[in-house]
Amino acid sequence: KAGVTQTPRYLIKTRGQQVTLSCSPISGHRSVSWYQQTPGQGLQFLFEYFSETQRNKGNFPGRFSGRQFSNSRSEMNVSTLELGDSALYLCASSQSGTPLHFGNGTRLTVT
Amino acid sequence: GIQVEQSPPDLILQEGANSTLRCNFSDSVNNLQWFHQNPWGQLINLFYIPSGTKQNGRLSATTVATERYSLLYISSSQTTDSGVYFCAVSTDSWGKFQFGAGTQVVVTP
Repeated sequence: KAGVTQTPRYLIKTRGQQVTLSCSPISGHRSVSWYQQTPGQGLQFLFEYFSETQRNKGNFPGRFSGRQFSNSRSEMNVSTLELGDSALYLCASSQSGTPLHFGNGTRLTVT
Repeated sequence: GIQVEQSPPDLILQEGANSTLRCNFSDSVNNLQWFHQNPWGQLINLFYIPSGTKQNGRLSATTVATERYSLLYISSSQTTDSGVYFCAVSTDSWGKFQFGAGTQVVVTP
């Protein structure tokens, strides 16, 4: 079974731009969660989608948004990028009561 | 929200040594997972262990949910065990987890 796939692996953007990251979950997994990892704040929960609906949301500004499609693939978008948005963005998929499985992440650098 | 504390923050081991990593959490949880993050940033699920004891090769984990802690044991450590070990807890059954700050493990030859 294929794992969680995230694209792209690396991104370099300029302050003020926007970016879209993509995540394809493990086949059959309907929940997709997004996490941000930075050296200062560690791993922080961004949001979770299930059946195209946002189930949970972390404590991030409205510049961070996401969506899920009918095939369970998910995208997250960050608008008006700031230097502090530089981070490793990790996507995970799961089913109820099963382990989280993470993708390899997208490393975003904002200059 | 729920607080997750991991100890020690750093651990240096000689190859072949055993070690115990601890995770304390501040409230009742439905789910608990241990992850290993390798130097390339990939998070690998080690154990899904809301309670009880599990073993997988040289690694084992125990969660005592009533006392709000979990332990990860590494026996006969190898250099490939180096990396950061994270404990993550959740109060629901899906994808929203609170991560600890991690334990950085370095295994020297």
